[in-house]
Amino acid sequence: NAGVTQTPKFRILKIGQSMTLQCTQDMNHNYMYWYRQDPGMGLKLIYYSVGAGITDKGEVPNGYNVSRSTTEDFPLRLELAAPSQTSVYFCASVRDMYSPLHFGNGTRLTVT
Amino acid sequence: AQSVTQPDIHITVSEGASLELRCNYSYGATPYLFWYVQSPGQGLQLLLKYFSGDTLVQGIKGFEAEFKRSQSSFNLRKPSVHWSDAAEYFCAVGVGNSGGSNYKLTFGKGTLLTVNP
Repeated sequence: NAGVTQTPKFRILKIGQSMTLQCTQDMNHNYMYWYRQDPGMGLKLIYYSVGAGITDKGEVPNGYNVSRSTTEDFPLRLELAAPSQTSVYFCASVRDMYSPLHFGNGTRLTVT
Repeated sequence: AQSVTQPDIHITVSEGASLELRCNYSYGATPYLFWYVQSPGQGLQLLLKYFSGDTLVQGIKGFEAEFKRSQSSFNLRKPSVHWSDAAEYFCAVGVGNSGGSNYKLTFGKGTLLTVNP
């Protein structure tokens, strides 16, 4: 099992550009999450999904969009990149409420 | 909405000394409680978790945590710290309805642990 795979690992965007952060998991987990991590701020939940076709906003959804067409994939879309979106993004998945989260290795995004 | 507070941003201890990292949560009921550790440039690894039952839980790497309902706390402890324990530690609470249709984890801001030789 590869676990949770995120691509790319690094990316530099110009202001106003768009991009998609990819996340895929091969553990057949229903729950998937996108977090952003900023120094001293911990992890903030952007969006989450409890199954294919179901998504919901987290704590900081503005400027982002998600989709969940399959159980395996949960891409995060940035439409108009802004410097405030410079961060490290983590995707995670979990089998159920009693299990630990499996994290990807993160995507470091810089918007200049 | 639930929240997690880790009062200590940065803690420095000497190798071999004991360690306690504090975590307080705010939630109407007893949430699921977790401690994660993150080494530089890495993702997060689960140290231990509490759902119910015995309020003292054991985790990996010699860590333990105690749930105290009266204090809404879930503090992490280790009797003797090793240099390899230097990392950032995150407390998290998991909440959702009984069917789990809105289950999500909220993380604290983290405590950075430095270990002096």
